[in-house]
Amino acid sequence: DAGVIQSPRHEVTEMGQEVTLRCKPISGHDYLFWYRQTMMRGLELLIYFNNNVPIDDSGMPEDRFSAKMPNASFSTLKIQPSEPRDSAVYFCASTNWGSTFEAFFGQGTRLTVV
Amino acid sequence: GNSVTQMEGPVTLSEEAFLTINCTYTATGYPSLFWYVQYPGEGLQLLLKATKADDKGSNKGFEATYRKETTSFHLEKGSVQVSDSAVYFCAQGTDKLIFGTGTRLQVFP
Repeated sequence: DAGVIQSPRHEVTEMGQEVTLRCKPISGHDYLFWYRQTMMRGLELLIYFNNNVPIDDSGMPEDRFSAKMPNASFSTLKIQPSEPRDSAVYFCASTNWGSTFEAFFGQGTRLTVV
Repeated sequence: GNSVTQMEGPVTLSEEAFLTINCTYTATGYPSLFWYVQYPGEGLQLLLKATKADDKGSNKGFEATYRKETTSFHLEKGSVQVSDSAVYFCAQGTDKLIFGTGTRLQVFP
């Protein structure tokens, strides 16, 4: 397996634009997590899915953020409209229940909102 | 709620020095505990894990022991190398993975 694949690796956008981040989890994993990493706040859990169903989105900062998982092999995190304070590295990770939550991370998407 | 607290960095050491990075957790129940490492420009990688009390996780010379009585999972290495320079994250997992803030380790020759 190629591991967790995220795209794009880098995204630069203007304030007010819509941004969509993509993630392909490892095949067979039934949990998918979205994290945001900044210097100030560290690694924050935004939302996670189990079997494509959102379980906990309490970490999503506000209504501008939304996430979907239409099938077991794809998830998106959307920010609309984007703001400069959304600039961060966004990570996707996947795991399965049987592995006691040994999560595998993607390379991350570095988002810069100017 | 569940949380993870780890010592702030950066931790600066000379090569071959002894390393300890402290980590404590709060949890309802008995989570699995992890240390992840992040090298520059990369995602997090699992370094080691322990799934129950008194378990010792080990990998690449790093060790950590699951201490239920002190709710701790401190990371140790007897002799660090320059290549160990990275950010280290402690984490707990029950129904979700919760991370500490990370500790930057810098090792100089």
